[in-house]
Amino acid sequence: EAGVAQSPRYKIIEKRQSVAFWCNPISGHATLYWYQQILGQGPKLLIQFQNNGVVDDSQLPKDRFSAERLKGVDSTLKIQPAKLEDSAVYLCASSLGIYTEAFFGQGTRLTVV
Amino acid sequence: GENVEQHPSTLSVQEGDSAVIKCTYSDSASNYFPWYKQELGKGPQLIIDIRSNVGEKKDQRIAVTLNKTAKHFSLHITETQPEDSAVYFCAASILGNAGNMLTFGGGTRLMVKP
Repeated sequence: EAGVAQSPRYKIIEKRQSVAFWCNPISGHATLYWYQQILGQGPKLLIQFQNNGVVDDSQLPKDRFSAERLKGVDSTLKIQPAKLEDSAVYLCASSLGIYTEAFFGQGTRLTVV
Repeated sequence: GENVEQHPSTLSVQEGDSAVIKCTYSDSASNYFPWYKQELGKGPQLIIDIRSNVGEKKDQRIAVTLNKTAKHFSLHITETQPEDSAVYFCAASILGNAGNMLTFGGGTRLMVKP
């Protein structure tokens, strides 16, 4: 079974630029999560989708971050404009449903210079 | 909200020895406690999980114990091998209608010396 796919693997941008990350969850998984992992820390949840609806986005900095999951499959996370403190690995995870374990992708490492 | 503390931050053991990593959580409503292993350049990989209706769970060389009263849970790895070297994260969530929104601990870097 294919895992959670994310792209790109790495991205370097200048501050105030915009960037987008893409995630394709495991086939059939209705629930999708975006996490931010700053170097040396545990992942922190940004947003959770159930199908194409947002379940929780309370920790998403909405002034600069946005996410969507059109058609309830793939998802994109966007940052505009980026700040230096946004440098982190952005992890996508998916689960079959809201009561089941989450599986993570390899992440996108973002460096803002 | 939930807060998860994890100790130690680094752990070095000799191959064949046991390793124990401990976590505490703050929200008594949390009912799901997974452990993830993260190797360099990779995403976290689920290695074992436990739900609040169970006190202990074992899978070959790894086991997890949960003490709901004290609000702490632990990961035990026996007969450690060099390939166990990685960063381990504990997490907690309230598995229910709001989904499975994990709060992670700060991580433990485990080094197994051959």
